[in-house]
Amino acid sequence: SQQGEEDPQALSIQEGENATMNCSYKTSINNLQWYRQNSGRGLVHLILIRSNEREKHSGRLRVTLDTSKKSSSLLITASRAADTASYFCATEARMDSSYKLIFGSGTRLLVRP
Amino acid sequence: DTGVSQNPRHKITKRGQNVTFRCDPISEHNRLYWYRQTLGQGPEFLTYFQNEAQLEKSRLLSDRFSAERPKGSFSTLEIQRTEQGDSAMYLCASSLVGTSESREQYFGPGTRLTVT
Repeated sequence: SQQGEEDPQALSIQEGENATMNCSYKTSINNLQWYRQNSGRGLVHLILIRSNEREKHSGRLRVTLDTSKKSSSLLITASRAADTASYFCATEARMDSSYKLIFGSGTRLLVRP
Repeated sequence: DTGVSQNPRHKITKRGQNVTFRCDPISEHNRLYWYRQTLGQGPEFLTYFQNEAQLEKSRLLSDRFSAERPKGSFSTLEIQRTEQGDSAMYLCASSLVGTSESREQYFGPGTRLTVT
């Protein structure tokens, strides 16, 4: 079963604008990761934030984590047409030695040129 | 290319037939995961291996499914007596768990199964 939900399910923006996606999850976590999936392809890891971190940056990506609300957000600044993809948050549950990922349902992002 | 590879990329089969998928992980990775993804959803965990040992199976993995990872290298996922509900993208991922854990999983391109 899915860990949680992502919001919005779909997002359409103009190139150059910022895109914000939100993720909620249900259980205590070790870390939360964001992945990108282009149409019909595998997933690419974007960024990982640990449960004791509140914010992390990587290039044009900014991730926040609020463990008290069991939520995270991904901000993509100055979006490009190449950012068009589906974005998934995935959590690694606390005390789970498998390190398996529990994914959300994803946000489909369309960046219009 | 030293990434995760999966074969075949697409498989169309008739209901009741058996199918087998192969995953070749990144060579030094000791963990291998199988996930299933249906249209419009995120991937769901199926099973994982630590080297050659299969350590956990999801309840999604019915007795028609079997996975192996002989010698801790490549892995196969077999589905017997396929059903239309098995139609999905099957994703393989690998990671290195040990002294310097990045916890990042590297995904293959997936095998898209269509059961007619």
